[in-house]
Amino acid sequence: QVRLVESGGGLIKPGGSLRLSCAASGFSFSDYYMTWIRQAPGKGLEWLSYISGGSDHTKTADSVKGRFTISRDNANNSLYLQMNSLRAGDTALYYCARERAPGGSSYGLDVWGQGTTVTVSS
Amino acid sequence: DIQMTQSPSSLSASVGDRVTITCRASQSIRNNLNWYQQKPGKAPELLIYAASTLQSGVPSRFSGSGSGTDFTLTISSLQPEDFATYSCQQSYNSPHSFGQGTKLEIK
Repeated sequence: QVRLVESGGGLIKPGGSLRLSCAASGFSFSDYYMTWIRQAPGKGLEWLSYISGGSDHTKTADSVKGRFTISRDNANNSLYLQMNSLRAGDTALYYCARERAPGGSSYGLDVWGQGTTVTVSS
Repeated sequence: DIQMTQSPSSLSASVGDRVTITCRASQSIRNNLNWYQQKPGKAPELLIYAASTLQSGVPSRFSGSGSGTDFTLTISSLQPEDFATYSCQQSYNSPHSFGQGTKLEIK
């Protein structure tokens, strides 16, 4: 069964750091691009970052560039999002998702985790 | 960056109705357009990719069309389980931006 499970969210003070994790199972993790998306309370989806299977290709949204870094560990079937200098505006539910086609990044996100909540507040 | 604009932002309809949601890109994205359905408290689910290809397992009452800058999602006959929020996403250029969403409510 193909599955993604996020963890690492929580309550953090402004300026703090968190590392989110996404554990993948049921598919050949290293074959797929993986993506992080977030959704602020009551708002729409915001694409954050993706990474290729071999970690040689990454892209990050300007809104978080320089503060958030995507990475992966294929040996442990895990995806990460390192978040630094957190702000109140980063408060959201953070999802990891799999690109639908192996090796591609343009074909939709077909598997999503349940999300992990990050709250940035003093 | 490519901006995605959906209309309407919300829509009331009845079971059995035919519904169309529109998504417009700020520049051509060819057919690199995906549609998602999201129910309250749940993660989004992929409905359609490449503008018009139905994801496996998605009922045939859902269809997508368009290319370039203008796209539509059509539900031919609304079912009770279709009341949800629908979002488009372009995957032509990074960042793979989403539309703001369309909330489909029961009339």
